[in-house]
Amino acid sequence: AQKITQTQPGMFVQEKEAVTLDCTYDTSDQSYGLFWYKQPSSGEMIFLIYQGSYDEQNATEGRYSLNFQKARKSANLVISASQLGDSAMYFCAMREGDTDKLIFGTGTRLQVFP
Amino acid sequence: SAVISQKPSRDICQRGTSLTIQCQVDSQVTMMFWYRQQPGQSLTLIATANQGSEATYESGFVIDKFPISRPNLTFSTLTVSNMSPEDSSIYLCSVEEFLVRRDTQYFGPGTRLTVL
Repeated sequence: AQKITQTQPGMFVQEKEAVTLDCTYDTSDQSYGLFWYKQPSSGEMIFLIYQGSYDEQNATEGRYSLNFQKARKSANLVISASQLGDSAMYFCAMREGDTDKLIFGTGTRLQVFP
Repeated sequence: SAVISQKPSRDICQRGTSLTIQCQVDSQVTMMFWYRQQPGQSLTLIATANQGSEATYESGFVIDKFPISRPNLTFSTLTVSNMSPEDSSIYLCSVEEFLVRRDTQYFGPGTRLTVL
């Protein structure tokens, strides 16, 4: 079974609108971390936001927020007030227990249009 | 967070040859990792680069094909040996700084490798 599932291969959003990118995960560990990374066409991976499994509040970083629903095992990324520069691939990732390994989803390509 | 650089940024190589990729960090970091991203795919961890000892490889990756060095806390190399076209990928190093933000990995700019 996939550990990280991103069901949206591509998404479109108009500039200044909000968009939600979906991510569901599968783990039996009680302690885990969830991450979102942005990958522009240049190839670098840019860390956006982190949510720990024991965090009671949803994580926020500027225009990025993570809608964490533990019972549903979902960790959706919300980008508010989209900008043209937000066009990129977005990857959801998970780190389980005490391991160092990040497990990545297949990614969602976001395109922001004027 | 730490500033991470990789050399080369891209290369085109002939099959059967080897390429060494360097990852340099501007501060001492606890953990360093190497990932591969094949065309149109997600990232897969190759190995954890351990300072002063042999790297820890993930299933499907072996030291003979991907030898890794980490001589100190700011530098690591990954060699892709005896390359074939299937090795064409983006190779990324990442680091983790416990004192800055525990559990979060920051990535270098990547090395885009094409094997002919």
